[in-house]
Amino acid sequence: GEQVEQRPPHLSVREGDSAVITCTYTDPNSYYFFWYKQEPGASLQLLMKVFSSTEINEGQGFTVLLNKKDKRLSLNLTAAHPGDSAAYFCAVSATGGNNKLTFGQGTVLSVIP
Amino acid sequence: DMKVTQMPRYLIKRMGENVLLECGQDMSHETMYWYRQDPGLGLQLIYISYDVDSNSEGDIPKGYRVSRKKREHFSLILDSAKTNQTSVYFCASSPRTGGNTGQLYFGEGSKLTVL
Repeated sequence: GEQVEQRPPHLSVREGDSAVITCTYTDPNSYYFFWYKQEPGASLQLLMKVFSSTEINEGQGFTVLLNKKDKRLSLNLTAAHPGDSAAYFCAVSATGGNNKLTFGQGTVLSVIP
Repeated sequence: DMKVTQMPRYLIKRMGENVLLECGQDMSHETMYWYRQDPGLGLQLIYISYDVDSNSEGDIPKGYRVSRKKREHFSLILDSAKTNQTSVYFCASSPRTGGNTGQLYFGEGSKLTVL
C-alpha cells in the first residue's frame, strides 16, 4: 500500500523566515495531495490541496509544490509568523474512489517571534 | 452547522476493559473514518465506513471493531483494551468522494488512556 514519509518532524524558524516541509510517497497512482494543519489541542483542518494535474497551488501565505517524477510534495511557507505555529500533515490519496487518505508522520512547526 | 462530534473527549480505562468511542456528524456524509494519532506516526486509518453496515478495514484494524447502524453515527469499539491502544482517536466524515477531494471533516479527538 501507499507509504508517505514526511520530514522534518520538528522545525523551528524565526518570524519572517521561510519554512519547507516535504513528503515523499510511493504509489505512482497517487493523484490527490493535501496539507492539513493542526493547532495545539485542536482537530485537523484542511489547509491546501493540489491535484496531479496542477502541480502547484498558492494561498494563505503557503505554496504547495508537487514533483510527480520524484514523488515529492512540499509545503513552502515564505514568511512565517507566530500564528503559523502548529503541526502540519501531508495526506495522499490515489485514484479509484476508495476515499482512503494516507497521512505523513507530521511536522511540528514553531515560529519564534 | 457542519460538525463532527466525538464522545467522550477523555477516557481512562484499565487493561482488559471494554471501550466505546462514539462519533456523530450532521452533514449526512456517506463516508466516515476512525484514525488514531500517535507521536511520530501521524494518523493511521483504523476503519473506514462507506455507509450504513458497509465497513472496511483500514491499515491497523487489529484489536478494533466498528459499528455503523445509522448514517450519522459511527462507533469504535475496543474489546479488552490494551495499554498499546493508549492514543488520541479521531473520527472524520466526508461526502462520497471526499477522500479524493481532501475534504475530510474531523472531530476534536478522544484521548484514551489504558492503564
